[in-house]
Amino acid sequence: AQSVTQLGSHVSVSEGALVLLRCNYSSSVPPYLFWYVQYPNQGLQLLLKYTSAATLVKGINGFEAEFKKSETSFHLTKPSAHMSDAAEYFCAVTLGADYKLSFGAGTTVTVRA
Amino acid sequence: DVKVTQSSRYLVKRTGEKVFLECVQDMDHENMFWYRQDPGLGLRLIYFSYDVKMKEKGDIPEGYSVSREKKERFSLILESASTNQTSMYLCASTDRGTGDTGELFFGEGSRLTVL
Repeated sequence: AQSVTQLGSHVSVSEGALVLLRCNYSSSVPPYLFWYVQYPNQGLQLLLKYTSAATLVKGINGFEAEFKKSETSFHLTKPSAHMSDAAEYFCAVTLGADYKLSFGAGTTVTVRA
Repeated sequence: DVKVTQSSRYLVKRTGEKVFLECVQDMDHENMFWYRQDPGLGLRLIYFSYDVKMKEKGDIPEGYSVSREKKERFSLILESASTNQTSMYLCASTDRGTGDTGELFFGEGSRLTVL
C-alpha cells in the first residue's frame, strides 16, 4: 500500500517569498508522485508529476518538486510567491494507472501582500 | 482539451432523499473515480470503475453506490442521504494504457448539503 503525509495544514507566506510545501510518501515500490492544486470552488488540476524520468520536476506556474528517494520526500517549491498562488495543494501517490491514487490531507497556502 | 463534467455544482437535499450525482468524461478513459473531500481529511476514495458495468469499493463506500452503464458516464448514488454526507464530491478519470502514470483529470466538484 502507498500513502503520503503532508506536513503543515496551513502555510502563510509573503508575496515574493519562497513557497515550500512538504510531502513524504511511503511505498513498497517506486511510486508515481503528483502535486495537484485546487483554487476556491474548483476541481483539482495537475501542477506536476514525477514518473521516474528526472528527479527534479518542473510544473506549471513556476512550481517545481524534487524526488528524494533517500528521504522518501517530494517537496514542492516556488521561489517567489504570487497572490494568485493562494489555494489548497495536495500531494498524491500511485503505483501506476491501474492503482488508486492516494492523497494527502492538503496544505492551504495564503499569500500576504 | 480534456473534460470531466459534473452535472450539479451545488445541491441541497433533505435527510432520507435519494441523491444522484452524475459525471461525464469526453476523453474515452477507462477508469473513473468518485472522491469525497472534507477539510483536514483530503480526498477519500468512495468507489471506482475500471470498465463499463464494473465497480470496486474504495476506502469509504458505506452509504453510497455507483452505476456505470456507459464508458463515459459514472454516477454516484446516495440511497438515503444523511447529514454526515454533506461534503464536496469530486469525479475523476484516467486512461489505462502502456506506460500511463495514473494522472487523474478532475471535474469541478459537486457540493452537497444535506439538511
